[in-house]
Amino acid sequence: DVKVTQSSRYLVKRTGEKVFLECVQDMDHENMFWYRQDPGLGLRLIYFSYDVKMKEKGDIPEGYSVSREKKERFSLILESASTNQTSMYLCASSETSPSYEQYFGPGTRLTVT
Amino acid sequence: QKEVEQNSGPLSVPEGAIASLNCTYSDRGSQSFFWYRQYSGKSPELIMSIYSNGDKEDGRFTAQLNKASQYVSLLIRDSQPSDSATYLCAVKRSGGGADGLTFGKGTHLIIQP
Repeated sequence: DVKVTQSSRYLVKRTGEKVFLECVQDMDHENMFWYRQDPGLGLRLIYFSYDVKMKEKGDIPEGYSVSREKKERFSLILESASTNQTSMYLCASSETSPSYEQYFGPGTRLTVT
Repeated sequence: QKEVEQNSGPLSVPEGAIASLNCTYSDRGSQSFFWYRQYSGKSPELIMSIYSNGDKEDGRFTAQLNKASQYVSLLIRDSQPSDSATYLCAVKRSGGGADGLTFGKGTHLIIQP
């Protein structure tokens, strides 16, 4: 079974703090993704990575950065957390062609106060 | 921006009946399509992927794809109360290579005992 784990299920941070969300997958997948999910807006892609040290912006990268130093680990960084970044953050991983099936971690519910 | 449209529901179906979930997408170049199930408070779980026109069956689930009409559907036969969840349609962006998925906002399905 594909296993994607995320460092925290729930996180509460203060405005202005630097926040690290970590994701680890054990299936040797090339591709990893960060999404956020908000009521009424659905799942939106923040960043993705197709190889170690490679990253691409998704649809809503503003206020975020990412790091992928090892193939199995993909981190999302909120440089200076703001209240509008309160959300559910979901990490996913996938193989490359032909499948592209993405498997999600359990999610981190982040609250910024 | 490429879009994926789903009826938000709720869609109410009697236990044992067939549930039919529909999805349309705007990116004519898309080649990979996915259905996810999401229980309240949980992360999305992959149910099926489909890449070719026609039907694909897996147990009680059948995915249908019509690229000419830009239409994907999911049928759930012999619906069970445990099928009550939000179902997300997802489309891989065209252009090849690794890329994120564009998700619909989901259809809330209720199976009535």
